[in-house]
Amino acid sequence: GQNIDQPTEMTATEGAIVQINCTYQTSGFNGLFWYQQHAGEAPTFLSYNVLDGLEEKGRFSSFLSRSKGYSYLLLKELQMKDSASYLCAVRDSNYQLIWGAGTKLIIKP
Amino acid sequence: IAGITQAPTSQILAAGRRMTLRCTQDMRHNAMYWYRQDLGLGLRLIHYSNTAGTTGKGEVPDGYSVSRANTDDFPLTLASAVPSQTSVYFCASSPGASTGELFFGEGSRLTVL
Repeated sequence: GQNIDQPTEMTATEGAIVQINCTYQTSGFNGLFWYQQHAGEAPTFLSYNVLDGLEEKGRFSSFLSRSKGYSYLLLKELQMKDSASYLCAVRDSNYQLIWGAGTKLIIKP
Repeated sequence: IAGITQAPTSQILAAGRRMTLRCTQDMRHNAMYWYRQDLGLGLRLIHYSNTAGTTGKGEVPDGYSVSRANTDDFPLTLASAVPSQTSVYFCASSPGASTGELFFGEGSRLTVL
């Protein structure tokens, strides 16, 4: 079966750095997405990786290793507004998105 | 403002009733999707449409139906609601079935009693 694993919850301090990991086992691979979802709101797109390596976008970076079935989202200079759930999703061989359950990130002052 | 609109935002429904959740996008995206989101679970695909006039079943299609008469609209119908269909429903769209990220509507919170 297809599976996306992420930690359920993480806690970090304002101003610090946090890394949210995502491992996947899917039938084929056509890209990996990270979304941010604030409580009670819709998911919003953060990043997309299809080749191995690091993609940097401001305070957020996303890394992919296809051989290891592994990605992480790195958030730097954490702000209180970064408190949200972070969803990892993989596009499989049928171009369908398989979603992880999400990681709830709690930022403390 | 361009985007994707869902209605209603929230609804309480008696079991056995018929309900249609509406979804409209003005981005001229070809692909549209309906997901449900339940606590502790990832987004689960109910139905999708790669282009106007075509639809397909996702991971959890039972009890739901969709239609795609034109590019902009993708309504989701619950023919006879059951309590297990209590969930938050998100409509989404993307430029193509295999390209681009998904853009989500604000969600419809449905409670079936």
